[in-house]
Amino acid sequence: DTEVTQTPKHLVMGMTNKKSLKCEQHMGHRAMYWYKQKAKKPPELMFVYSYEKLSINESVPSRFSPECPNSSLLNLHLHALQPEDSALYLCASSQDRTTEAHPYEQYFGPGTRLTVT
Amino acid sequence: SQQGEEDPQALSIQEGENATMNCSYKTSINNLQWYRQNSGRGLVHLILIRSNEREKHSGRLRVTLDTSKKSSSLLITASRAADTASYFCATLSAKMPDSWGKLQFGAGTQVVVTP
Repeated sequence: DTEVTQTPKHLVMGMTNKKSLKCEQHMGHRAMYWYKQKAKKPPELMFVYSYEKLSINESVPSRFSPECPNSSLLNLHLHALQPEDSALYLCASSQDRTTEAHPYEQYFGPGTRLTVT
Repeated sequence: SQQGEEDPQALSIQEGENATMNCSYKTSINNLQWYRQNSGRGLVHLILIRSNEREKHSGRLRVTLDTSKKSSSLLITASRAADTASYFCATLSAKMPDSWGKLQFGAGTQVVVTP
């Protein structure tokens, strides 16, 4: 199974709402990532989890709160977002650096299209 | 910040033609990867080339890497309408373990293949 799944596919939320994005993979990958992508732009890294621990936070505002409950799941909790946070949110996973065969070749989910009103 | 820069930004070709896009980067890399993204969807990994490799093939894809010029190219031969997508290069820094799998994506090349 080489699939990364993300739910929901689309999300519309008001600025006072609290919502969560979910990501799941069953490839045994120990690194998982959240990216934000605006239209016609490359993905921007937000967070990296390695072995369920947060290893990189790219100075993301605290209204985005990641969580890695176990090695297969990654959540992104959203609270008090701004309209400019509307974007495609992508989750990805990869093997860790100790695996030489495919170092950090990332597998992406289909994304959650988020609209903040 | 983006490490990879790509050109052209957009490419329009007809089916059967070859498509070539280039990627330049600034710092030492462990590997360079190419991804494809269909409109509004997730990215799909196409091919990875390590810093000690110069050329790699996968089906209709050919990737070259010139570390002295800090550049790479992706060639898609005999293009098809289904190749219409955005293509991104992404580099993994040679500074391990600091990078922890942090890929630096280029700005992307939007390719349109018309029947």
